[in-house]
Amino acid sequence: DGGITQSPKYLFRKEGQNVTLSCEQNLNHDAMYWYRQDPGQGLRLIYYSQIVNDFQKGDIAEGYSVSREKKESFPLTVTSAQKNPTAFYLCASSPGHTNNQPQHFGDGTRLSIL
Amino acid sequence: GQNIDQPTEMTATEGAIVQINCTYQTSGFNGLFWYQQHAGEAPTFLSYNVLDGLEEKGRFSSFLSRSKGYSYLLLKELQMKDSASYLCAVPPRGGGNKLTFGTGTQLKVEL
Repeated sequence: DGGITQSPKYLFRKEGQNVTLSCEQNLNHDAMYWYRQDPGQGLRLIYYSQIVNDFQKGDIAEGYSVSREKKESFPLTVTSAQKNPTAFYLCASSPGHTNNQPQHFGDGTRLSIL
Repeated sequence: GQNIDQPTEMTATEGAIVQINCTYQTSGFNGLFWYQQHAGEAPTFLSYNVLDGLEEKGRFSSFLSRSKGYSYLLLKELQMKDSASYLCAVPPRGGGNKLTFGTGTQLKVEL
């Protein structure tokens, strides 16, 4: 079945450690996105990519990094510079960058600090 | 910039009808999305409105008034499984699919 796969489902980070969250899609979508969701809040955009080998910062990019070497993959690294990383991280994709195409979401990764 | 307002919480009774409102301020309008998100799960797409009026999809309908910067999601014949957060989102002024999300409305359906 086509879809978006995020792994791991739960992740724990030690102080000063970088961790990488995986996001893979087999929908042949050009655009991919990373969001952060805190309890009782909406989704905030971290990074997005409209095409392979290109990505842009979203609203809260500080302390995060991404790469888009392959169309189907958009991993997110939470660096030690992100001082408050505990949150629910959601990856999404869409066919392109036109207005009326909904984003499809993965099941999320819940990151906590040890 | 873009600003989206939604009520934080709502409670309704099983079998009833509930209306979840969303107001937005944006310098250029390119449509509005509604998503449903159950706790700890991925958001799922419900509707997209770009023209004024009501669009119906089974028990769920979505309304848009561009002149008022206002949308609502109407849920009929409420079921317990409709307890979830409902998020509205708008694309940016220049178009594209980099959405700005509201904080979501947490709907609780009671017996």
